[in-house]
Amino acid sequence: AQKVTQAQTEISVVEKEDVTLDCVYETRDTTYYLFWYKQPPSGELVFLIRRNSFDEQNEISGRYSWNFQKSTSSFNFTITASQVVDSAVYFCALIEVNRDDKIIFGKGTRLHILP
Amino acid sequence: GAGVSQSPSNKVTEKGKDVELRCDPISGHTALYWYRQSLGQGLEFLIYFQGNSAPDKSGLPSDRFSAERTGGSVSTLTIQRTQQEDSAVYLCASSTGTQETQYFGPGTRLLVL
Repeated sequence: AQKVTQAQTEISVVEKEDVTLDCVYETRDTTYYLFWYKQPPSGELVFLIRRNSFDEQNEISGRYSWNFQKSTSSFNFTITASQVVDSAVYFCALIEVNRDDKIIFGKGTRLHILP
Repeated sequence: GAGVSQSPSNKVTEKGKDVELRCDPISGHTALYWYRQSLGQGLEFLIYFQGNSAPDKSGLPSDRFSAERTGGSVSTLTIQRTQQEDSAVYLCASSTGTQETQYFGPGTRLLVL
């Protein structure tokens, strides 16, 4: 079973629409870290956010927001008023502290923002 | 400050040749990771180094792949007797520790003809 599931393989929205990228994770650890990365067409992975398991507060950074819900093991990412520059592949990832500390990536969601 | 750098950015080689890919981590980062990303796919973990500990080589796909990290800084990933299936982007990342945020380099695009 996948430890990090990004069920949406590909999403297309029209510019200025809001879009939510889903991430569901699986762990038995109480201490873990969750991440989101963006990979634009240039190929370099860009770090977006790191969240520890003890901090369930939602985070907002400009047009980006993250909803962390331990009850559903989800860490969803919303882009508000999407722009063409948001087109990229987005990866969710997990580090389980009491395991081998290896980061586990989801398979990614390819987001197309249409002008 | 400077981010993670990788060289070369692109490498074309013939099947059967050896290649070396280089990674310069962020200064002061003790952990260094190598990943492989095939076209349109996710990230495949290859190997990581943490300080002076023995590297975790559990992701290396075959004994043709090896990596070393000299002086706790620069790392080289070597692929011997390259095969066409080795064609991919090889990404390097570094962090201040194994539970910390990994920062990625731009990758080396390897094409084996």
